[in-house]
Amino acid sequence: TQLLEQSPQFLSIQEGENLTVYCNSSSVFSSLQWYRQEPGEGPVLLVTVVTGGEVKKLKRLTFQFGDARKDSSLHITAAQPGDTGLYLCAGRGGGSEKLVFGKGTKLTVNP
Amino acid sequence: DSGVTQTPKHLITATGQRVTLRCSPRSGDLSVYWYQQSLDQGLQFLIQYYNGEERAKGNILERFSAQQFPDLHSELNLSSLELGDSALYFCASSVVQGWNTEAFFGQGTRLTVV
Repeated sequence: TQLLEQSPQFLSIQEGENLTVYCNSSSVFSSLQWYRQEPGEGPVLLVTVVTGGEVKKLKRLTFQFGDARKDSSLHITAAQPGDTGLYLCAGRGGGSEKLVFGKGTKLTVNP
Repeated sequence: DSGVTQTPKHLITATGQRVTLRCSPRSGDLSVYWYQQSLDQGLQFLIQYYNGEERAKGNILERFSAQQFPDLHSELNLSSLELGDSALYFCASSVVQGWNTEAFFGQGTRLTVV
């Protein structure tokens, strides 16, 4: 069974601060995705990474896929209250199309 | 708007009852996934259908079943409901194009079993 561990589970910071959340596994994933979910809504895809060592930037968000394709990180620069939400990583691998999710990091950015 | 439609949005029912949750995928998407989200377990994969056929199975209870119809909409049937089945149930759809397939989620059905 492929498992994705996310850390930290909760993060509360002030507007303007930087932060990094992590997604780790002992399994290799062929692709990894990051989603953001707001209360009462479904997860919304932010990015997909497929190549080991890949770095993708989306405005103030930087996503990195580990060289061994077992881990990923999400770095947010100068966080804003609008970044508040649940950040989920999800991976596919082992020949399966099944998308396995981590339990998420609940981020609160205080004004 | 992801293009995935789930109904109903909220459902309150008693223990022992049976309910049906419905999902209409995005136009053109052949794959439908069902997930259960609870506070302590996070998003748990239940089952996937592709073009009407079951493709992958996760931690789906025997009391739960699903199907995908010829028009590609899907239904998740939950029977003999227990208090612990209270959760958010999400449907997602995708066009299967390899390992970086993107899944688009509906807004979910909040099921409360009382």
